[in-house]
Amino acid sequence: GENVEQHPSTLSVQEGDSAVIKCTYSDSASNYFPWYKQELGKRPQLIIDIRSNVGEKKDQRIAVTLNKTAKHFSLHITETQPEDSAVYFCAASRNTGGFKTIFGAGTRLFVKA
Amino acid sequence: NAGVTQTPKFQVLKTGQSMTLQCAQDMNHNSMYWYRQDPGMGLRLIYYSASEGTTDKGEVPNGYNVSRLNKREFSLRLESAAPSQTSVYFCASGFPGQNGETQYFGPGTRLLVL
Repeated sequence: GENVEQHPSTLSVQEGDSAVIKCTYSDSASNYFPWYKQELGKRPQLIIDIRSNVGEKKDQRIAVTLNKTAKHFSLHITETQPEDSAVYFCAASRNTGGFKTIFGAGTRLFVKA
Repeated sequence: NAGVTQTPKFQVLKTGQSMTLQCAQDMNHNSMYWYRQDPGMGLRLIYYSASEGTTDKGEVPNGYNVSRLNKREFSLRLESAAPSQTSVYFCASGFPGQNGETQYFGPGTRLLVL
């Protein structure tokens, strides 16, 4: 079946360093790739997304890259801050009327001050 | 504008009991979704509804039923709860954007089945 693999499961960085989270997906029909951030005890919230006809997208300190041929996509956070500490989920989605979305297992990011 | 709301926030059930989780959105979104979140497994799609009157199975539909009561409400029913259904359940609604569909999540329902 369809799946999304996400690595690493845990990532610890020093404040100011960069963090990179990588995902691969199996469903070649996926054409939309959102990233969600979930703080402890809270709901997931969208932080950035990319569509399959775009290779890279940037929004301030965060950027996403997509290699559709290899079915890889990545999240890059630069100049990390303690408030970036959270669980990050990648997802792969395709339009079936609604958007059937498969999530990765999540990466717990710790940013040490 | 409350966004996506869910009731109850917490629930404890005994094995074999039934219950319905309620979800409502006031953003006029067509799509609605139910996910469960377990440690180390991310969010898994249980059922979704692309529009009022339609529902489809997700990754893990067994043991659950859904009803899209109207455009605002999408409920999830456990007919005979099992300990394996202990989880945090999130409802979401979707809004088509430039790239795809942004999903807005509710606050979650924490369910414990004994």
